[in-house]
Amino acid sequence: GAVVSQHPSRVICKSGTSVKIECRSLDFQATTMFWYRQFPKKSLMLMATSNEGSKATYEQGVEKDKFLINHASLTLSTLTVTSAHPEDSSFYICSAREHTGADTQYFGPGTRLTVL
Amino acid sequence: SQQGEEDPQALSIQEGENATMNCSYKTSINNLQWYRQNSGRGLVHLILIRSNEREKHSGRLRVTLDTSKKSSSLLITASRAADTASYFCATAQNRDDKIIFGKGTRLHILP
Repeated sequence: GAVVSQHPSRVICKSGTSVKIECRSLDFQATTMFWYRQFPKKSLMLMATSNEGSKATYEQGVEKDKFLINHASLTLSTLTVTSAHPEDSSFYICSAREHTGADTQYFGPGTRLTVL
Repeated sequence: SQQGEEDPQALSIQEGENATMNCSYKTSINNLQWYRQNSGRGLVHLILIRSNEREKHSGRLRVTLDTSKKSSSLLITASRAADTASYFCATAQNRDDKIIFGKGTRLHILP
């Protein structure tokens, strides 16, 4: 089946630094990728939708200058948390959809971000 | 924003019993999906049911969809310890739309 990877799986950083998280579709080309965040014991909240070669569409309340998304190729999307603060600590999960019209998304294993 | 509301929020049952979780949503949908998440891990896709379907089975899983009531249920039969996890429903308004997750049900199977 389709596999999506994320790197790193865990990252700890100091407040004020920027952190980049990669999401890759390993055996298929993803026209659309999605980024979610999840707080402990809570559900997944959609942050943004990114389409290859175009600007990401952010959900209401998500700061686009804070969470930079780049979908540079059909197999890679990156999320950069800029000037991270402790409240940005969360579990970040990406998903990928193979092509327009597909109703199945494949989820990555998630990245645990801890900001000290 | 979240679309679905699962109930119960938490459920503890004895191993071997059946577990039923429900999901209600607000808008019209194209499909509804159920996912499982073990603590601190990624999501596992369980089953997708389309708006023109009423019931689907996959192994020990049975999903129903009632579009008139805007609700779905997930039944796990003969539960096992390994079924302990959080279960989320997620809906898409259109076929290739973003999916929005419900709040989830934390299921705990007691030995």
